[in-house]
Amino acid sequence: DAGITQSPRYKITETGRQVTLMCHQTWSHSYMFWYRQDLGHGLRLIYYSAAADITDKGEVPDGYVVSRSKTENFPLTLESATRSQTSVYFCASSELRGRVSLVLETQYFGPGTRLLVL
Amino acid sequence: ILNVEQSPQSLHVQEGDSTNFTCSFPSSNFYALHWYRWETAKSPEALFVMTLNGDEKKKGRISATLNTKEGYSYLYIKGSQPEDSATYLCAFIAPFWAGGTSYGKLTFGQGTILTVHP
Repeated sequence: DAGITQSPRYKITETGRQVTLMCHQTWSHSYMFWYRQDLGHGLRLIYYSAAADITDKGEVPDGYVVSRSKTENFPLTLESATRSQTSVYFCASSELRGRVSLVLETQYFGPGTRLLVL
Repeated sequence: ILNVEQSPQSLHVQEGDSTNFTCSFPSSNFYALHWYRWETAKSPEALFVMTLNGDEKKKGRISATLNTKEGYSYLYIKGSQPEDSATYLCAFIAPFWAGGTSYGKLTFGQGTILTVHP
C-alpha cells in the first residue's frame, strides 16, 4: 500500500522490556521523523533522519534508539521501556524542496502507535 | 533547543466568528515555517509551507502570513465552522550539519487548540 504506515498500532508491554516500533514509507522521502504526543507537550521530536545512515537527536531522545539502513524504514526502539514512555508515537516523512535547499516540504504523518508500558 | 511558541494555548469561538492565532520563532537563520492541522484521534495534516518574508498563503477559509524579520506567523480562520475544531501546530526549520552537509530539522510549537461551538 502506498503512503506511510506504522506497526503495531497498539502495544502493551512491561517495564524493562525492549520494544520496537516500525515505520515504513513508500514515497522514497529522504527525511523521516519520530514524535511522541503527550498531554501538555504537543508533539515532541525524538529522533529524525535526513537520509539513510544519517540520524540526529531531537528534543527527547533518551531511552530511544533509531536506525535507518534503508530509506523506506525508520524503526524506533525503546531499549528498556519505562512507564514514562507510555505515549502515542507518530512517524512522519518529508522531502526537501530542491536539492540545495533546507526547506522541507510538509510532513506526512503515519496513523500513530499507542504504547502502554505497565 | 529552539523556542517556538504558539498563542493562545486554547481558544473557544462561536460558529461564524473569525479567529487568529500566533506562532513565534527565532528570527535569525530562517529557512521555513510549516503549519499543520491536527484533529483529535487523527494524524496531523499539512496546511502551509512558508518561506519568504511577507508570504501570504490561503486554503479555503484558512490563511497565513509570515514576518521573518520579527519572527512571527499568523494563522487566520474566516467564518469558523465546528469542523475547524482542531489543534493547529506550527513548526520551524533550523539546520543541522552532518558529514559536512547541512540538513533541515523541525521544531514544533505546542499548538493552539481551537474549539468552534455551533
